[in-house]
Amino acid sequence: AQTVTQSQPEMSVQEAETVTLSCTYDTSESDYYLFWYKQPPSRQMILVIRQEAYKQQNATENRFSVNFQKAAKSFSLKISDSQLGDAAMYFCASPNTGANSKLTFGKGITLSVRP
Amino acid sequence: AAGVIQSPRHLIKEKRETATLKCYPIPRHDTVYWYQQGPGQDPQFLISFYEKMQSDKGSIPDRFSAQQFSDYHSELNMSSLELGDSALYFCASSLAGEGDTQYFGPGTRLTVL
Repeated sequence: AQTVTQSQPEMSVQEAETVTLSCTYDTSESDYYLFWYKQPPSRQMILVIRQEAYKQQNATENRFSVNFQKAAKSFSLKISDSQLGDAAMYFCASPNTGANSKLTFGKGITLSVRP
Repeated sequence: AAGVIQSPRHLIKEKRETATLKCYPIPRHDTVYWYQQGPGQDPQFLISFYEKMQSDKGSIPDRFSAQQFSDYHSELNMSSLELGDSALYFCASSLAGEGDTQYFGPGTRLTVL
C-alpha cells in the first residue's frame, strides 16, 4: 500500500517570501505520478501541480514548483512570491498501484501567510 | 473548462434517514471516485467506477452503495445515517491515459443530526 507522509502540520510565511512544504512517500512502482492539492477555506480540492516520476525535470506551474528526489522518495512543493490567497491546507497525494487508482493523501499542512 | 459537478452542495438529514449524493464528471472522463473527508482529516477513498463498472473499493460502510450510470454520472446512496457520517463528500473524475490526474468537485457537505 502507498504511504504518504507530511510531517509538518503547520507552516507560516511572510507575504512575497518563499516557502517549501515537505512530503515523503513510499511506493513499489517504478513509474507513477505525484500530486499537490490545495484546499482553501471553501474546502474545494484544487490541483496545484503534478510530477511524473520518470521525468527528470521538476514540474513548474507559475509560482509553484516541486523538488522531486526519486531516490529519496521526496516530493516538496515550493511556493514563490507567496500571496495571501495561498493560505490553505495543502495535501500531497499519490495514486495506488495500477491505472485509475485511488489517491492516498498525506495528513496535510496548514499554510498561513502573514501580510 | 467544465468541472466536476456535485449536488446537492449541502444536505441535512436526521439519524437513520437516507441520503443520495450525485456527481457529474468532466465530459469524456471515464473514471469516477468518491472520497469522504471528516473535519480536520485528509480525504479517504470510498469507491470508484471505470466505464460504469466498480473498479475499486475502500473503507465504505455496507450501508453505503454507489453506481455509475450510462451517462457516466454517479450516485452515492447512504442509508441508516449515523452521526459519524457527517462529513464532506467529494467526487473526482479522471481520464485514462492522463496520468491518473483526478479533478475534484466542490463537495457535498452532509450533516446528520
